[in-house]
Amino acid sequence: EVQVVESGGDLVKSGGSLRLSCATSGFIFSNAWMSWVRQAPGKGLEWVGRIKSKASGETTDYAAPVKGRFTMSRDDSKSMVFLQMSSLKTEDTAVYYCTAERGSYYLFWGQGTLVTVSS
Amino acid sequence: DIQMTQSPSSLSASVGDRVTITCRASQSINSNLNWYQQKPGKAPKLLIYSAFTLQSGVPSRFSGSGSGTDFTLTISSLQPEDFATYSCQQTYSTPPWTFGQGTKVEIK
Repeated sequence: EVQVVESGGDLVKSGGSLRLSCATSGFIFSNAWMSWVRQAPGKGLEWVGRIKSKASGETTDYAAPVKGRFTMSRDDSKSMVFLQMSSLKTEDTAVYYCTAERGSYYLFWGQGTLVTVSS
Repeated sequence: DIQMTQSPSSLSASVGDRVTITCRASQSINSNLNWYQQKPGKAPKLLIYSAFTLQSGVPSRFSGSGSGTDFTLTISSLQPEDFATYSCQQTYSTPPWTFGQGTKVEIK
């Protein structure tokens, strides 16, 4: 059974930093391209970023609103992916979902972790 | 970036109704379009990928069509468990892979 579990969400002040973690099991993590998607309260889904597998260069892509402030990384030995967030803004307040790509779609999702940025 | 526009943003329908949701891309995305269902407090669930391929386990009352810039999600006979928010996502070429703003399907 595939499991994707996010953690690390918290209340943080504007300008602060936070690190989200995503633990996975049930699939070959080292081959997976992993993404983060967020959802602000009452809003739609927003793609945040992606990290490719090591075999694909472990390259990252980010959405414009977070580029330069957020950094994705992965630890294949632990089947985990991370999202380091810095210079947080109130508009970063959202539930952050970790998701694994299958082809060009997101099949496996976590339950989400809430990040609240206060002014 | 490619913009995705869904319509309507919300709709009210009755059990048994045929429901159609539209998603339009700001440029051609071929068939690189996915549909997700999301219920309150839950993660999105993949329904359809590559515009018309039904994900395993998803009821056949769901169908997708379209290519290029215009796409449609159809629920042929709405069931009580289908009341949710539906979002499209384009995965054409390179990221960012944008989502539509969502369509909330409510009980009439």
